Amino acid sequence: DAKTTQPTSMDCAEGRAANLPCNHSTISGNEYVYWYRQIHSQGPQYIIHGLKNNETNEMASLIITEDRKSNTLILPHATLRDTAVYYCIVRPSNSGYALNFGKGTSLLVTP
Amino acid sequence: EPEVTQTPSHQVTQMGQEVILRCVPISNHLYFYWYRQILGQKVEFLVSFYNNEISEKSEIFDDQFSVERPDGSNFTLKIRSTKLEDSAMYFCASRITGGGQANYGYTFGSGTRLTVV
Repeated sequence: DAKTTQPTSMDCAEGRAANLPCNHSTISGNEYVYWYRQIHSQGPQYIIHGLKNNETNEMASLIITEDRKSNTLILPHATLRDTAVYYCIVRPSNSGYALNFGKGTSLLVTP
Repeated sequence: EPEVTQTPSHQVTQMGQEVILRCVPISNHLYFYWYRQILGQKVEFLVSFYNNEISEKSEIFDDQFSVERPDGSNFTLKIRSTKLEDSAMYFCASRITGGGQANYGYTFGSGTRLTVV
């Protein structure tokens, strides 16, 4: 799996957009980008994924650069409940592959 | 929204005892997983299970561990002769599909906190 690099921590004011970057310069053509988050020792929660096109769902938007070497997860209006560790994971499209969680980005949303 | 259910939420066991952690994956999911997270550390993959057999396992998943899907709904993780270092949060996860589709995320349970004393 391609290695990902994320900042250790970030702060964001409540109501503002939170932009979480992730670098994956060694990503290969069949690898998807996934984002998960973990709120205080709960089970990880799926947020969004994409291959090369930008994606949006009810939780977030995913912006993938044209060269696919980096992406940004955007939480458009962060709330206190979005405080969590966010994991960017790259994995092949083949099903069954395990998710390899790194250390992620600890996002603190402040009032 | 469908959930992955794990029981118990917290289990305390004595070193050397066997424990069984239970999970009920989402009913139409095909792939099942166990992960663990030692306090303050990252989430670690243990094992994946598909079509009634292990499809992948990590170095952590040694002979002390086993998994089973005994009745078509439950998915269990057995730890024989527990050690202090087995103390961790254990997460079960399931995924709907295989066959090259990457269009579905994993759904994780809320975990079982195992404490070995």
